[in-house]
Amino acid sequence: ILNVEQSPQSLHVQEGDSTNFTCSFPSSNFYALHWYRWETAKSPEALFVMTLNGDEKKKGRISATLNTKEGYSYLYIKGSQPEDSATYLCAFITSGGSYIPTFGRGTSLIVHP
Amino acid sequence: EPEVTQTPSHQVTQMGQEVILRCVPISNHLYFYWYRQILGQKVEFLVSFYNNEISEKSEIFDDQFSVERPDGSNFTLKIRSTKLEDSAMYFCASSGGGWGYTFGSGTRLTVV
Repeated sequence: ILNVEQSPQSLHVQEGDSTNFTCSFPSSNFYALHWYRWETAKSPEALFVMTLNGDEKKKGRISATLNTKEGYSYLYIKGSQPEDSATYLCAFITSGGSYIPTFGRGTSLIVHP
Repeated sequence: EPEVTQTPSHQVTQMGQEVILRCVPISNHLYFYWYRQILGQKVEFLVSFYNNEISEKSEIFDDQFSVERPDGSNFTLKIRSTKLEDSAMYFCASSGGGWGYTFGSGTRLTVV
């Protein structure tokens, strides 16, 4: 069983704050890491697909970094807005198996106006 | 933008009853998946389906579960005799074989 951990489990911030959270995964047999944004009653929405050590991806105010050697990825949100409130899921894909993503538990972000 | 559609959005069923959860994947996708999330727990992989057969399944996907693609567009998950612990949000996803997956908005199954 692959261990994919996300921290913190939940986070409350004020509008305008910048925030970040972590996804940790096994450092061996890395293939890809996905980040998803999941709002209640909606589909999880793909944010980033990260494949190379040192990758940095950016989408508006959201960015992510990847360290495959130590087995972690950070997701950053700059100047949080209430509409950023969602659960952020990471999913790890190993090269040693069937390429099925293993998900973390998610970080629930609530941005207060 | 193409999307994955799941019906119903919420299903309540009595313990021991059969349920069928329906999904319409993106039309040109080739790989189909079912995941579930029990409240407060991780999203868990159930099964993947390619070329009209199961390609991978998890320990959760026991004999009570089955999947079908009956008509080339729908992708269904059947639970034969539901248990209380089957209560969860069930997600369908499809992929064209590239990097990303497209998820449906889920079916919340409540077994009473």
